[in-house]
Amino acid sequence: EIVLTQSPGTLSLSPGEGATLSCRASQSLSDRFLAWYQQRPGQAPRLLIYGASSRSAGTPDRFSGSGSGTEFTLNISRLEPEDFAVYYCQQYGDSPLYTFGQGTKLEVK
Amino acid sequence: QVQLQESGPGLVKPSETLSLSCNVSGGSISNFYWSWIRQPPGKGLEWIGYISYNGITNYTPSLKSRVTISVDTSKNRFSLKLTSVTPADTAVYYCAREGYYDSRGYLRPGYFDQWGQGTLVTVSS
Repeated sequence: EIVLTQSPGTLSLSPGEGATLSCRASQSLSDRFLAWYQQRPGQAPRLLIYGASSRSAGTPDRFSGSGSGTEFTLNISRLEPEDFAVYYCQQYGDSPLYTFGQGTKLEVK
Repeated sequence: QVQLQESGPGLVKPSETLSLSCNVSGGSISNFYWSWIRQPPGKGLEWIGYISYNGITNYTPSLKSRVTISVDTSKNRFSLKLTSVTPADTAVYYCAREGYYDSRGYLRPGYFDQWGQGTLVTVSS
């Protein structure tokens, strides 16, 4: 089973700042099979990024994904109030044994 | 835009069977893969399993002995059964659509692009 480790656990920033969230895989992910989700309180997760760097329909362009192998990053430029949420990465390279990271909480400083 | 809606009991007794359904509207269930994912209160996400458009299932190993996912294409819905539940199975249960077309045009399972709103199931006597 591929284990995903997200860091930091909590990130405290102010609106307008940029955020960098990391996701490390215990094994290399073939074809960059990694997705990112945003979950606001009381809501279902929402797909932001798939294939490590492709934005899902409706994802603002201030969100960008990068990385390959075992190291992946989600960058959010110019944080908006609605961006403060929990973010999860998910690998599907070891399909069908999907796994999620434990999440990074992005909170207002 | 496809929409998913979970339904089922919010309270299940220990040792009994948890049964949930997911109604799919705005699109046919006869495409894509259809998954169940759960989230214990205050914790992270756990994939439970999927069923494909043609009935192929895959389950996470830790739950495989207790899980069954089925599909009813005539009603455009799919279902989850989890047997012998314990309080550790208390969670918000989400249904989700997954799948993408690879470079050769084949539908593959993968990431989850549409989610239901989730339903809280509590296991307690």
